[in-house]
Amino acid sequence: QVQLQQSGPGVVKPSQTLSLTCAISGDSVSSNSVAWNWIRLSPSRGLEWLGRTYYRSKWNNDYAVSVKSRITVNPDTSKNHFSLQLNSVTPDDTAVYFCARGLMATGFDFWGQGTLVTVSS
Amino acid sequence: QSALTQPPSASGSPGQSVTISCTGTSSDVGAYNHVSWYQQHPGKAPKLMIFEVSKRPSGVPDRFSGSKSGNTASLTVSGLQAEDEADYYCGSYAGSNNAGSHNYVFGTGTKVTVL
Repeated sequence: QVQLQQSGPGVVKPSQTLSLTCAISGDSVSSNSVAWNWIRLSPSRGLEWLGRTYYRSKWNNDYAVSVKSRITVNPDTSKNHFSLQLNSVTPDDTAVYFCARGLMATGFDFWGQGTLVTVSS
Repeated sequence: QSALTQPPSASGSPGQSVTISCTGTSSDVGAYNHVSWYQQHPGKAPKLMIFEVSKRPSGVPDRFSGSKSGNTASLTVSGLQAEDEADYYCGSYAGSNNAGSHNYVFGTGTKVTVL
């Protein structure tokens, strides 16, 4: 059974970088049949797909246009996890952040527990 | 990329059916059979209920069904039960841009109440 365990701070100051990690068990970040995604949920934006990393002979990334200039999603094969970095955060980035396994074509089938990140000074 | 449009709320009595719509465009819902539906209970992670418009993952009751016509997808919950009360979100593959970057868009969400 695939399990995703998130970790990272719950409060980030404005203009700083939000950093979260998602540890994978029961699957591999290097799998060539799935992708590893970050998604957030906020009252103002609802659910919003942010970005993903996946391996298909080489590492690939896709990012949502809304955050493309500020986001990095990286795999770590030695720890079998992947991470999210979101730079220059504002209060509008306050949300519950989820990591999730899945493909855009077939949906996101396994999710992390969610991390409430509040952007506040 | 704009969010897909869902009604804010829907309701039904136990045993009845409720249908939720999800309206997109010819660039997302209308272009691909890559529509999924997610159920979210308060404080929990979303759960995949339907993928590829009408397929159910293992363990999802057959009370949940999906369909699509043009730019609008629909989720129907038949035989409503108390545990079906939750928020429901649709999602769709939204194609790739000239740089080959792929995109995904969610719906605005619908709160289903079991009366």
